[in-house]
Parts: sequence; structure tokens; C-alpha cells
Amino acid sequence: GAVVSQHPSWVICKSGTSVKIECRSLDFQATTMFWYRQFPKQSLMLMATSNEGSKATYEQGVEKDKFLINHASLTLSTLTVTSAHPEDSSFYICSARVGQVNSPLHFGNGTRLTVT
Amino acid sequence: LAKTTQPISMDSYEGQEVNITCSHNNIATNDYITWYQQFPSQGPRFIIQGYKTKVTNEVASLFIPADRKSSTLSLPRVSLSDTAVYYCLVDDYKLSFGAGTTVTVRA
Repeated sequence: GAVVSQHPSWVICKSGTSVKIECRSLDFQATTMFWYRQFPKQSLMLMATSNEGSKATYEQGVEKDKFLINHASLTLSTLTVTSAHPEDSSFYICSARVGQVNSPLHFGNGTRLTVT
Repeated sequence: LAKTTQPISMDSYEGQEVNITCSHNNIATNDYITWYQQFPSQGPRFIIQGYKTKVTNEVASLFIPADRKSSTLSLPRVSLSDTAVYYCLVDDYKLSFGAGTTVTVRA
């Protein structure tokens, strides 16, 4: 089956630094990837849609200058949390589809970000 | 924009069948219904997807009535390892997950 790989699985950083999270589609090409954020005991919240070769589309309330998304190839999208603060601590998850618009989402295993 | 409503939690025992119903009154004609399972500190995992009537795979069944305003995920003979959060997702352009249903399976 389709595999989406995320790296790192967890990261701890100091307040004010930047952190990059990678999302790779291992056995398929993904022109579109989706980035979610999940706080403890809460549901997944869509942050942005990452489009290969073009700018990402951010959901309302998500700061595009803080959460930089780059989708430079058909198998790699990156999310950079810039100038991280403790309130950015969360579980970040990427996903992608194989094929057509209504095909199921395949999720990475997530990245636990802790900002101290 | 289809919003989904599910029960917050459900308890069951090993070997029982668990049925989780999701309401999605504003589902659009082209939208599919997809169910995911999520364990703590992991990304969601695809369970089953359907458009209408009944779909069955090796782990679950999905029942969708003719009006498509709801759907029911059926997990046959659950085990302790089925304890997880289950989300139904109406696959529209917003990809908005609802609160999910926490299923707890007890021995």
C-alpha cells in the first residue's frame, strides 16, 4: 500500500528557533499533500494544502509566514515552523492521496514538536 | 461544506460488534465518506470508504442509506487492539475532521 513517511518523529527545540519537518511519499507521486496539526485530546485541524511547484494554500487563521511549506518535488513536502514558541508545541501530521480526488488519504506517522 | 457528527465515546467488550454512526446532513453529490482509525501518537489509518449502500472489506463494513445523510461503520468482533479514535470524513474540499469517536474495548 501507499506509504507516507515523516521525519523526524519527534523533535525538541528552544523557543525562537526554527524546525523543519519532512513528508515523503515513498512509492507514489503526490502533487498535493496536506498538513494537519493535532493538539492533545483534539481532532486533526487542516493547516494547509501543499501543491507541487506552486504556493501552498493556508487555512484561515494559519500564519503562512510562520508555517513555511515547500513542495519542491512530487515526493517531498516540508513544513518549517519558524521562530517556534511553546504554543506551537503540537503533533504535526502530513497526508497525501494516491490518484484521483476522492481516493483515501494516506497519513504519515506524525511529528511531535515540543518547544521549550 | 459537510460537517460530521459522531458520538464522543463508545465502550465495548472483546468479541462484540461495534457500530459507530456518523451524521453528515450537508453531504454533496460528489462526496465520498471515509473512515479512519487513529492510535495515540500515530497518524490516522484508512479503514474503509464508500459512496452509497454497503461496502465491506477485511476489517469493517460501511453502511450508507439512500439519502447519504449518515453512515455507520461496523467493526465485527472487536479486540483490545481496536481501542482507538475513529473518524468519519466527508471527503469534500475542506477535508475537515470532526471530533471522532473514542472506542474503548474491554476484556
